[in-house]
Amino acid sequence: QVQLVESGGGLVKPGRSLRLSCTASGFNFSDYYMSWIRQAPGKGLEWVSYISISSNNKDYADSVKGRFTISRDNAKNSLFLQMNNLRAEDTAVYYCAREGVAADSWGQGALVTVSS
Amino acid sequence: EIVLTQSPATLSLSPGERATLSCRASQTVRNYLAWYQQKPGQAPRLLIYDSSNRAAGIPARFSGSGSGTDFTLTISSLEPEDFAVYYCQQRINWPPGTFGQGTRVEIK
Repeated sequence: QVQLVESGGGLVKPGRSLRLSCTASGFNFSDYYMSWIRQAPGKGLEWVSYISISSNNKDYADSVKGRFTISRDNAKNSLFLQMNNLRAEDTAVYYCAREGVAADSWGQGALVTVSS
Repeated sequence: EIVLTQSPATLSLSPGERATLSCRASQTVRNYLAWYQQKPGQAPRLLIYDSSNRAAGIPARFSGSGSGTDFTLTISSLEPEDFAVYYCQQRINWPPGTFGQGTRVEIK
């Protein structure tokens, strides 16, 4: 079955960096666009970034543009999110999601807490 | 940016009752609308895509309808496991694929 597992979350000070990973299994990873979607504590869902199959196309929410970088390694069935210059407002659970007809499969999420 | 407004914010119902959730878009999204369910401590789960198509494994009591700017998610008879938060998402301008703010369905 489709499985997405995020890792790399944790507590980090403002201005520091963190790299999230998402490992996929149970489907052909290189056939799908992938996204990162986040959820601040007690809040709704916010799309963060997407990447196309070949990594040729990427896009970011305005709130993270210039600070976050999405990438993927199809040979390793892995998706990444490099987060630099983190702010308190980036505190959230970060989900990786497979983009099929919609965000049709989600990981369990990785909690990122930005605090001094 | 397309804004999605969900109503009501909270719906208090009893098991067995019918739930009707609304999602209104600030401009047309044609039929490119999805619905997700999120239970506490869990990731969201896709229920409906393209306004009215059930995702794999989703029970028939969940149905979606609408086009243009007005959409409805209906749960025909609430089961105990259906009490959760529901989000709509527009897919016509994806990315970013903005989400609504959510409707909480709680036990009355």
